[in-house]
Amino acid sequence: EAGVVQSPRYKIIEKKQPVAFWCNPISGHNTLYWYLQNLGQGPELLIRYENEEAVDDSQLPKDRFSAERLKGVDSTLKIQPAELGDSAVYLCASSHGQYNEQFFGPGTRLTVL
Amino acid sequence: GENVEQHPSTLSVQEGDSAVIKCTYSDSASNYFPWYKQELGKRPQLIIDIRSNVGEKKDQRIAVTLNKTAKHFSLHITETQPEDSAVYFCAEFDSSYKLIFGSGTRLLVRP
Repeated sequence: EAGVVQSPRYKIIEKKQPVAFWCNPISGHNTLYWYLQNLGQGPELLIRYENEEAVDDSQLPKDRFSAERLKGVDSTLKIQPAELGDSAVYLCASSHGQYNEQFFGPGTRLTVL
Repeated sequence: GENVEQHPSTLSVQEGDSAVIKCTYSDSASNYFPWYKQELGKRPQLIIDIRSNVGEKKDQRIAVTLNKTAKHFSLHITETQPEDSAVYFCAEFDSSYKLIFGSGTRLLVRP
């Protein structure tokens, strides 16, 4: 069984530029999560999807961040415009229902210059 | 908001010794407590978890204990090996169905 797939693995951009991250969850997992992980810290939830519905986006900075999961499978997280403080690893995870083990992808390491 | 405190932030042990990492949480309604291992540059991976209806769970060299009254839980690794070196995160699944992570413990097992 393939794990959670994310791309790109690394991204370097200049501040004020837009950037997008893509996630393909484990087949059959209806719950999808985007996390932010700063260096030396634990992951912090940005948004959680149940199928195509965003059921918890309370931690998503909506002035510059957006996400979508149009068909309830793949998801895209976008930042526009990026700021220096956005440099971090963006992790995608999926689970079969919200009460079960979350499987993480390898993450996208974003560097904003 | 809810938070999880994790201690110590770094832990160095001799190969073969035991390692213990402790976490405390604040949401008394939390009922699921996973532990993740993250090697450098890699994804977090679940190593063991415990639900609130049990006080202890063991899987080979790894065990987790839960004290719901005191709201703390611990990870115990026995007979540590160099490949156990990594960052370990505790987490709680809180009453808003959100996984809240601790700040991590960097474990170094010296050969």
